[in-house]
Amino acid sequence: NAGVTQTPKFQVLKTGQSMTLQCAQDMNHNSMYWYRQDPGMGLRLIYYSASEGTTDKGEVPNGYNVSRLNKREFSLRLESAAPSQTSVYFCASSEEQGDRELFFGEGSRLTVL
Amino acid sequence: LAKTTQPISMDSYEGQEVNITCSHNNIATNDYITWYQQFPSQGPRFIIQGYKTKVTNEVASLFIPADRKSSTLSLPRVSLSDTAVYYCLVGDLWSGGSYIPTFGRGTSLIVHP
Repeated sequence: NAGVTQTPKFQVLKTGQSMTLQCAQDMNHNSMYWYRQDPGMGLRLIYYSASEGTTDKGEVPNGYNVSRLNKREFSLRLESAAPSQTSVYFCASSEEQGDRELFFGEGSRLTVL
Repeated sequence: LAKTTQPISMDSYEGQEVNITCSHNNIATNDYITWYQQFPSQGPRFIIQGYKTKVTNEVASLFIPADRKSSTLSLPRVSLSDTAVYYCLVGDLWSGGSYIPTFGRGTSLIVHP
């Protein structure tokens, strides 16, 4: 039982390049989330998906797009990466929208040069 | 955004009890208080949740006074492995109608030998 799996774990991009962070959960959870974590800032919500087929913006959605491909998978896309998007990205899931217990992946460290 | 305030850092020694207090003056009537733990290079991990009075599990205790404007996470007899960042969370109602836990900056706990 892997829980929440994120790929890649590390990535270096040049400004303007695009990439997609992949996230998959095997717990049959309905809700999924993408957060970013910057030094001294805690975690900030980028986008979330309350259930399959729905996505909504969080606190810092600019520069990102998401796709809830199916119940298991929730991807985060950077269309034109900027140095300000250098961060550690965490995907999480919960059984239902409104649950306070989120299960997190191990994170994806992204550097934009 | 619902806001929580907790100390930025704390130091303790092995075997001591550690109490981390969080204030959440604007907590919603029906919201829970949730605490997470995060080790370096890992995603946050749920440790305890409560609504009022006291909750205890195998990891920690959570004390919530009657007015629910603050809460205290208590870690009994800490060890070096308890060195981590601890987050106090209350929920926020996002534009999509979902109620999602919001992370603050957390408290960095360092346990010394």
